Amino acid sequence: GAVVSQHPSRVICKSGTSVKIECRSLDFQATTMFWYRQFPKQSLMLMATSNEGSKATYEQGVEKDKFLINHASLTLSTLTVTSAHPEDSSFYICSARDRPGQPTEFFGPGTRLTVL
Amino acid sequence: GESVGLHLPTLSVQEGDNSIINCAYSNSASDYFIWYKQESGKGPQFIIDIRSNMDKRQGQRVTVLLNKTVKHLSLQIAATQPGDSAVYFCAENSGGGADGLTFGKGTHLIIQP
Repeated sequence: GAVVSQHPSRVICKSGTSVKIECRSLDFQATTMFWYRQFPKQSLMLMATSNEGSKATYEQGVEKDKFLINHASLTLSTLTVTSAHPEDSSFYICSARDRPGQPTEFFGPGTRLTVL
Repeated sequence: GESVGLHLPTLSVQEGDNSIINCAYSNSASDYFIWYKQESGKGPQFIIDIRSNMDKRQGQRVTVLLNKTVKHLSLQIAATQPGDSAVYFCAENSGGGADGLTFGKGTHLIIQP
């Protein structure tokens, strides 16, 4: 149980384009999902908290107009990187909680974004 | 700000030996701790967790110890195997489930044959 998937696993795009990453909870409903980014040989940094049916909460320093988050259903959250630039190249990972109020997070496999 | 950190960035152990990965945290309000294993190019995989009302918890070949007095957390892996090679992260939560996890820097565990 508690399986989280992401799509795509890898994406290469040109500078200035937008990229959408999907995060799905496959065998449970997730009222809360989280988006992290990870640079090579570094730890995970929380970008935002995605709550179903409401606006995402962004961490300090994360541009909400740059990283659009939509959590339209209990099993799907999307992250759209708008007008991507090379510095946005990173490993983006989502996580989800399988029980409301319980802090355990289950992670997806990650999406490797490369902006040319 | 407050953070979770690790003492050693790289730990090399012989196959079959036990390994101990340490983590220090500074947020005294933290009430939940979790260890993840991350293999190259993959997402973090849950290993074991512990709440602040406990000081020890055991799983299959793994044990987590929590010392709240000195704000220290450790992960013990018994009889290490080649498949244990990965980066291990500790993470903490102090928001009662409202906030995301705060991750430590990570320790790269290398299992020598």
